[in-house]
Amino acid sequence: EDKVVQSPLSLVVHEGDTVTLNCSYEVTNFRSLLWYKQEKKAPTFLFMLTSSGIEKKSGRLSSILDKKELFSILNITATQTGDSAIYLCAVVSGGSNYKLTFGKGTLLTVNP
Amino acid sequence: DTAVSQTPKYLVTQMGNDKSIKCEQNLGHDTMYWYKQDSKKFLKIMFSYNNKELIINETVPNRFSPKSPDKAHLNLHINSLELGDSAVYFCASSQVSSGNTIYFGEGSWLTVV
Repeated sequence: EDKVVQSPLSLVVHEGDTVTLNCSYEVTNFRSLLWYKQEKKAPTFLFMLTSSGIEKKSGRLSSILDKKELFSILNITATQTGDSAIYLCAVVSGGSNYKLTFGKGTLLTVNP
Repeated sequence: DTAVSQTPKYLVTQMGNDKSIKCEQNLGHDTMYWYKQDSKKFLKIMFSYNNKELIINETVPNRFSPKSPDKAHLNLHINSLELGDSAVYFCASSQVSSGNTIYFGEGSWLTVV
């Protein structure tokens, strides 16, 4: 059975801190790994990673994938209170009828 | 046996028409979704229903209306189709209590001309 495990499950930091969120996976026929940010409603897409070692960056957020060790990290630098959310990692796997397996998420709280 | 099935798989239609895409899942899941895939992003959620109740309704035009007659079906009706509606629409389902792995249908390729 495909598994996606995120750690930590929750994290409380102060504004300005840097955080690293982890995602490890065991799936059959890996296609890509996705990071989402979920606040009140549906997850919003952050990054899609398919190749090892290539960092994706968007503002203060960055992410990288290691397909050998089967994990990804999401970094957030200079955190702000608006970064408070659940961060979801999901892995796309399978053939023509592919599936998306989500981790349970990391709840990040950034205090002023 | 297809777990999540959508019909039609391909649809070409003219602007201004009204069309529906049907979705059925035989997995016994309690949650169903519609996602839109365009050329820039991977998948963008449109709607989510849990036990026939709408729980996620992203900012989509009112021309898009989901209907869930029962837990196994979630249909998508689109009124007054526009060129920008051309995309692949994926239906999906999951069982929240079982880790929420989302299973997708094969997609419905909609082309508006």
